[in-house]
Amino acid sequence: EPEVTQTPSHQVTQMGQEVILRCVPISNHLYFYWYRQILGQKVEFLVSFYNNEISEKSEIFDDQFSVERPDGSNFTLKIRSTKLEDSAMYFCASSSTQGSNVLTFGAGSRLTVL
Amino acid sequence: AQSVTQLDSQVPVFEEAPVELRCNYSSSVSVYLFWYVQYPNQGLQLLLKYLSGSTLVKGINGFEAEFNKSQTSFHLRKPSVHISDTAEYFCAVSGRAGNMLTFGGGTRLMVKP
Repeated sequence: EPEVTQTPSHQVTQMGQEVILRCVPISNHLYFYWYRQILGQKVEFLVSFYNNEISEKSEIFDDQFSVERPDGSNFTLKIRSTKLEDSAMYFCASSSTQGSNVLTFGAGSRLTVL
Repeated sequence: AQSVTQLDSQVPVFEEAPVELRCNYSSSVSVYLFWYVQYPNQGLQLLLKYLSGSTLVKGINGFEAEFNKSQTSFHLRKPSVHISDTAEYFCAVSGRAGNMLTFGGGTRLMVKP
């Protein structure tokens, strides 16, 4: 069964450093998403991406965040200058269509900011 | 805007017993409803979804959920649980026009032998 692949599974970084989280969505999917889950809290929507541009973003997705699809397979989330409160599990997801919103999620990348 | 409330953060249950995980939502627009399951060290896996039609929805692993519009609920049920059902379960909603999922806080199902 096709799956969404995320790397790294766990990254530890110092506050102020840049972090790039990588995702390989399912190959024929057109919509891509990032969600995050701070420990003990809800899974929260960050951003959705379609046709090489952001289609929707939440208040969490401020100027320190950016997304990119640098080639035909990868979808990345960059955090420019990490803060302690960025420590969370970050989930990538993809879907083939909009509207019915059946998202396939990756296993997540755990980011720990020290 | 939507919100989702999962009333129980943890549900302990013995193997082969029935279980119900509760989910209530609020929304000013029509929604799609989902249940996802997260096994340890894995991603979120879709259990079932309600898009339209019959309010009783059957999913994988013997789970089912019933959409109740008047009570704005979408409770998840299984008549007989297994040890392997131990996991975190997330209820989620989305508006029909967009693609943003709003999740509940999750319910940890702990199945004991």
